[in-house]
Amino acid sequence: NAGVTQTPKFRVLKTGQSMTLLCAQDMNHEYMYWYRQDPGMGLRLIHYSVGEGTTAKGEVPDGYNVSRLKKQNFLLGLESAAPSQTSVYFCASSYPRGLSSGANVLTFGAGSRLTVL
Amino acid sequence: KQEVTQIPAALSVPEGENLVLNCSFTDSAIYNLQWFRQDPGKGLTSLLLIQSSQREQTSGRLNASLDKSSGRSTLYIAASQPGDSATYLCAAGISSGSARQLTFGSGTQLTVLP
Repeated sequence: NAGVTQTPKFRVLKTGQSMTLLCAQDMNHEYMYWYRQDPGMGLRLIHYSVGEGTTAKGEVPDGYNVSRLKKQNFLLGLESAAPSQTSVYFCASSYPRGLSSGANVLTFGAGSRLTVL
Repeated sequence: KQEVTQIPAALSVPEGENLVLNCSFTDSAIYNLQWFRQDPGKGLTSLLLIQSSQREQTSGRLNASLDKSSGRSTLYIAASQPGDSATYLCAAGISSGSARQLTFGSGTQLTVLP
Protein backbone atom coordinates (compact mmCIF):
# COMPACT_ATOMS: atom_id res chain seq x y z
CA ASN A 1 0.00 0.00 0.00
CA ALA A 2 1.89 3.03 -1.27
CA GLY A 3 -0.57 5.70 -0.06
CA VAL A 4 0.88 9.13 -0.87
CA THR A 5 4.31 9.24 -2.54
CA GLN A 6 6.36 12.40 -2.95
CA THR A 7 9.35 12.83 -5.25
CA PRO A 8 12.04 13.94 -4.85
CA LYS A 9 12.69 13.57 -1.12
CA PHE A 10 15.55 16.08 -1.14
CA ARG A 11 16.58 18.83 -3.53
CA VAL A 12 19.00 21.75 -3.46
CA LEU A 13 18.39 24.63 -5.83
CA LYS A 14 20.08 27.90 -6.61
CA THR A 15 18.10 31.12 -6.51
CA GLY A 16 16.18 31.58 -9.74
CA GLN A 17 16.11 27.93 -10.74
CA SER A 18 12.86 26.12 -11.35
CA MET A 19 11.66 22.71 -10.26
CA THR A 20 8.58 20.54 -9.84
CA LEU A 21 7.58 18.39 -6.89
CA LEU A 22 5.42 15.39 -7.72
CA CYS A 23 2.76 13.91 -5.48
CA ALA A 24 1.08 10.63 -6.38
CA GLN A 25 -1.70 8.85 -4.49
CA ASP A 26 -3.19 5.45 -5.18
CA MET A 27 -6.26 5.69 -2.96
CA ASN A 28 -8.61 7.25 -5.53
CA HIS A 29 -8.89 10.35 -3.34
CA GLU A 30 -10.64 13.39 -4.77
CA TYR A 31 -8.91 16.07 -2.71
CA MET A 32 -5.20 16.76 -2.75
CA TYR A 33 -3.18 19.41 -0.91
CA TRP A 34 0.28 20.91 -0.80
CA TYR A 35 1.56 22.25 2.54
CA ARG A 36 4.86 23.71 3.65
CA GLN A 37 6.31 23.30 7.12
CA ASP A 38 8.84 25.72 8.54
CA PRO A 39 10.65 25.48 11.91
CA GLY A 40 8.48 26.56 14.81
CA MET A 41 5.43 26.90 12.62
CA GLY A 42 2.55 24.67 11.78
CA LEU A 43 1.83 23.43 8.30
CA ARG A 44 0.56 26.12 5.96
CA LEU A 45 -1.59 25.35 2.95
CA ILE A 46 -0.10 26.42 -0.40
CA HIS A 47 -2.60 25.13 -2.96
CA TYR A 48 -5.23 22.43 -3.07
CA SER A 49 -7.40 20.59 -5.57
CA VAL A 50 -10.91 19.23 -5.19
CA GLY A 51 -10.72 17.08 -8.29
CA GLU A 52 -9.02 16.37 -11.59
CA GLY A 53 -8.49 19.55 -13.58
CA THR A 54 -9.22 21.89 -10.65
CA THR A 55 -6.88 23.86 -8.38
CA ALA A 56 -7.31 26.61 -5.81
CA LYS A 57 -5.12 28.88 -3.72
CA GLY A 58 -4.47 28.24 -0.07
CA GLU A 59 -2.95 30.43 2.60
CA VAL A 60 0.51 30.99 1.03
CA PRO A 61 0.25 30.51 -2.75
CA ASP A 62 2.66 33.21 -3.98
CA GLY A 63 5.65 31.88 -5.91
CA TYR A 64 4.06 28.48 -6.54
CA ASN A 65 1.94 26.94 -9.27
CA VAL A 66 0.12 23.62 -9.31
CA SER A 67 -1.52 21.29 -11.77
CA ARG A 68 -3.88 18.32 -11.44
CA LEU A 69 -4.03 16.81 -14.91
CA LYS A 70 -4.65 13.32 -13.56
CA LYS A 71 -6.69 12.44 -10.50
CA GLN A 72 -3.82 10.56 -8.88
CA ASN A 73 -1.16 13.25 -9.38
CA PHE A 74 -0.74 16.75 -7.96
CA LEU A 75 2.30 18.75 -9.09
CA LEU A 76 3.81 21.72 -7.26
CA GLY A 77 6.02 24.01 -9.33
CA LEU A 78 8.48 26.72 -8.39
CA GLU A 79 9.17 28.89 -11.44
CA SER A 80 11.95 30.99 -9.90
CA ALA A 81 13.09 29.64 -6.56
CA ALA A 82 13.88 32.03 -3.70
CA PRO A 83 15.66 31.36 -0.38
CA SER A 84 12.32 32.04 1.39
CA GLN A 85 11.02 28.86 -0.23
CA THR A 86 13.48 26.72 1.68
CA SER A 87 11.15 24.41 3.57
CA VAL A 88 9.78 20.92 3.93
CA TYR A 89 6.86 20.35 1.60
CA PHE A 90 4.10 17.87 2.37
CA CYS A 91 1.47 16.53 0.07
CA ALA A 92 -1.78 15.10 1.42
CA SER A 93 -4.94 13.61 0.02
CA SER A 94 -8.41 12.91 1.33
CA TYR A 95 -11.76 11.56 0.31
CA PRO A 96 -14.56 14.07 0.78
CA ARG A 97 -17.49 12.59 2.63
CA GLY A 98 -19.77 15.46 1.85
CA LEU A 99 -19.88 18.95 3.27
CA SER A 100 -22.50 17.79 5.74
CA SER A 101 -20.14 15.26 7.17
CA GLY A 102 -17.42 16.15 9.62
CA ALA A 103 -15.02 13.45 8.54
CA ASN A 104 -12.18 14.39 6.22
CA VAL A 105 -9.13 12.42 7.29
CA LEU A 106 -5.95 13.36 5.47
CA THR A 107 -3.21 10.95 4.44
CA PHE A 108 0.20 12.59 4.22
CA GLY A 109 3.29 11.84 2.21
CA ALA A 110 6.72 11.63 3.86
CA GLY A 111 7.75 15.12 2.77
CA SER A 112 10.20 16.74 0.37
CA ARG A 113 13.00 18.83 1.83
CA LEU A 114 13.92 21.75 -0.43
CA THR A 115 16.87 24.06 0.10
CA VAL A 116 17.30 27.18 -2.00
CA LEU A 117 20.76 28.74 -1.89
CA LYS B 1 -8.79 34.05 10.22
CA GLN B 2 -8.51 30.88 12.25
CA GLU B 3 -5.44 30.65 14.46
CA VAL B 4 -4.38 27.51 16.30
CA THR B 5 -1.99 27.59 19.24
CA GLN B 6 -0.27 24.75 21.06
CA ILE B 7 1.38 25.24 24.41
CA PRO B 8 3.93 24.16 25.51
CA ALA B 9 6.19 23.94 22.46
CA ALA B 10 8.16 21.17 24.14
CA LEU B 11 7.50 18.77 27.01
CA SER B 12 9.67 16.17 28.69
CA VAL B 13 8.20 13.55 31.05
CA PRO B 14 9.38 10.32 32.69
CA GLU B 15 8.06 7.04 31.36
CA GLY B 16 4.74 5.95 32.83
CA GLU B 17 3.42 9.43 33.48
CA ASN B 18 0.01 10.53 32.26
CA LEU B 19 0.12 13.79 30.33
CA VAL B 20 -2.08 16.34 28.59
CA LEU B 21 -1.28 18.32 25.46
CA ASN B 22 -3.23 21.51 24.84
CA CYS B 23 -4.60 23.07 21.67
CA SER B 24 -6.60 26.29 21.38
CA PHE B 25 -8.30 27.85 18.38
CA THR B 26 -9.75 31.31 17.85
CA ASP B 27 -12.79 30.59 15.69
CA SER B 28 -15.29 28.11 17.08
CA ALA B 29 -16.90 27.56 13.64
CA ILE B 30 -14.94 24.40 12.97
CA TYR B 31 -16.25 21.17 11.48
CA ASN B 32 -13.69 18.96 13.20
CA LEU B 33 -10.49 18.94 15.23
CA GLN B 34 -7.73 16.51 14.39
CA TRP B 35 -4.62 15.38 16.22
CA PHE B 36 -1.57 14.18 14.33
CA ARG B 37 1.74 12.66 15.25
CA GLN B 38 4.94 13.53 13.41
CA ASP B 39 8.17 11.58 13.86
CA PRO B 40 11.48 13.25 12.89
CA GLY B 41 11.93 13.35 9.13
CA LYS B 42 8.54 11.77 8.56
CA GLY B 43 5.10 12.81 7.44
CA LEU B 44 2.08 13.23 9.65
CA THR B 45 0.00 10.35 10.95
CA SER B 46 -3.60 10.97 11.93
CA LEU B 47 -4.28 9.92 15.53
CA LEU B 48 -7.78 11.10 16.35
CA LEU B 49 -10.50 13.11 14.68
CA ILE B 50 -13.30 14.73 16.67
CA GLN B 51 -16.26 15.95 14.70
CA SER B 52 -17.81 19.25 15.73
CA SER B 53 -20.85 17.46 17.18
CA GLN B 54 -18.71 15.22 19.39
CA ARG B 55 -17.04 15.89 22.73
CA GLU B 56 -14.26 13.30 22.67
CA GLN B 57 -12.66 10.39 20.89
CA THR B 58 -10.55 7.56 22.25
CA SER B 59 -8.01 5.24 20.71
CA GLY B 60 -6.05 2.97 23.00
CA ARG B 61 -4.08 5.10 25.45
CA LEU B 62 -5.08 8.29 23.69
CA ASN B 63 -8.12 10.41 24.46
CA ALA B 64 -8.92 13.68 22.73
CA SER B 65 -11.56 16.12 23.91
CA LEU B 66 -13.16 19.10 22.22
CA ASP B 67 -14.83 22.15 23.76
CA LYS B 68 -15.91 24.38 20.90
CA SER B 69 -17.39 27.07 23.11
CA SER B 70 -14.05 27.70 24.82
CA GLY B 71 -11.98 27.04 21.70
CA ARG B 72 -9.98 24.25 23.26
CA SER B 73 -8.97 20.66 22.64
CA THR B 74 -6.78 18.39 24.72
CA LEU B 75 -4.94 15.19 23.93
CA TYR B 76 -4.53 12.93 26.94
CA ILE B 77 -1.85 10.23 26.81
CA ALA B 78 -2.04 7.59 29.51
CA ALA B 79 0.96 5.67 30.82
CA SER B 80 3.41 7.33 28.45
CA GLN B 81 6.15 5.26 26.80
CA PRO B 82 9.44 6.22 25.11
CA GLY B 83 7.83 5.24 21.81
CA ASP B 84 5.36 8.10 22.29
CA SER B 85 8.20 10.58 21.77
CA ALA B 86 7.29 12.67 18.73
CA THR B 87 5.79 16.02 17.78
CA TYR B 88 2.04 16.22 18.20
CA LEU B 89 0.09 18.65 16.07
CA CYS B 90 -3.53 19.65 16.27
CA ALA B 91 -5.46 21.03 13.32
CA ALA B 92 -8.83 22.74 13.15
CA GLY B 93 -10.97 21.85 10.18
CA ILE B 94 -12.58 24.81 8.44
CA SER B 95 -14.73 25.16 5.35
CA SER B 96 -13.46 27.48 2.67
CA GLY B 97 -15.22 27.63 -0.65
CA SER B 98 -15.70 24.14 -2.02
CA ALA B 99 -13.08 22.43 0.07
CA ARG B 100 -12.36 21.49 3.60
CA GLN B 101 -9.09 22.83 4.91
CA LEU B 102 -7.03 22.37 8.04
CA THR B 103 -5.36 25.10 10.06
CA PHE B 104 -2.45 23.63 12.01
CA GLY B 105 -0.85 24.53 15.29
CA SER B 106 2.95 24.61 15.51
CA GLY B 107 3.03 21.41 17.56
CA THR B 108 4.25 20.15 20.93
CA GLN B 109 7.48 18.18 20.89
CA LEU B 110 7.11 15.37 23.44
CA THR B 111 10.02 13.45 24.90
CA VAL B 112 9.30 10.48 27.15
CA LEU B 113 12.37 9.55 29.15
CA PRO B 114 13.02 5.85 29.94
